[in-house]
Amino acid sequence: SYELTQPPSVSVSPGQTAKITCSGDALPKQYAYWYQQKPDQAPILLIYKDTERPSGIPERFSGSSSGTTVTLTISGVQAEDEADYYCQSVDSSDTYVFGTGTKVTVL
Amino acid sequence: EVQLVQSGAEVKKPGESLRISCKGSGYSFTSYWVGWVRQMPGKGLEWMGIIYPGDSDTRYSPSFQGQVTISADRSISTAYLQWSSLKASDTAMYYCASQKIDYGARGAFDIWGQGTMVTVSS
Repeated sequence: SYELTQPPSVSVSPGQTAKITCSGDALPKQYAYWYQQKPDQAPILLIYKDTERPSGIPERFSGSSSGTTVTLTISGVQAEDEADYYCQSVDSSDTYVFGTGTKVTVL
Repeated sequence: EVQLVQSGAEVKKPGESLRISCKGSGYSFTSYWVGWVRQMPGKGLEWMGIIYPGDSDTRYSPSFQGQVTISADRSISTAYLQWSSLKASDTAMYYCASQKIDYGARGAFDIWGQGTMVTVSS
C-alpha cells in the first residue's frame, strides 16, 4: 500500500524555524495536506493543496512542494506549536493516506 | 455553528456488533465527503474510508475493506461506521471529518468530530 514517510521527531527552539518533510512517490501528481494534532484533541487542517492556508491558520505555517517531497515550515515557532503533525495525500484506492507523523518538540 | 457531533464512548466484548454515528450541522452535509479516521492508543492517524452523503458513494482504504461498513442517512445529516464482529484490536479512538467549504480539492478536511472511543475487551 502507498506510504508517506515523515521524520519521527523534530526539535526546535522558540522563535526558530521547524521544517517537517513528507515523502511519497505520488506526491508530484497528487496534492498534499497537513494537519496538527495536540494531545487528546482532534486534528486541525493547516495546509491544503500543497501550499494553501485555510482561514484562521497563522501565517507562520506554510507549505511547499518539490518532486516527491512536500514540506511544512513553521516559522517563529511558539510553545503552542508543540504537537504531532501529519501529511496526507490520495492513495490508489481513491481514498486518503496519512503520513507516519512527526512529533514537534519546542525546547 | 458548523460542527460534527459523534456518538459517545462504547465498551464492547469481542464478537459484538457496533455502529457509531457522526451528525453534521451548520453546513451543507450532503455536498462534501465525510471520512472516518482510526487512531489506536499512542499511534498515528489512519484513514478508514470516505462516503459522499449526496449519493452514498463509498470508498474504503485497502486495510479496512471488508472490516467495517460506512454508510450515511442524508435525511438526518448523519454518517455511520459499523462493525459486525468486533475484535480487541479495534480498540481505538475514531474520528469523523468533513469540509465546510469548497477548497477546490476534496482532501481538505476542516471539520472534525470530537472522537468516539471504542474499547473492546472481554
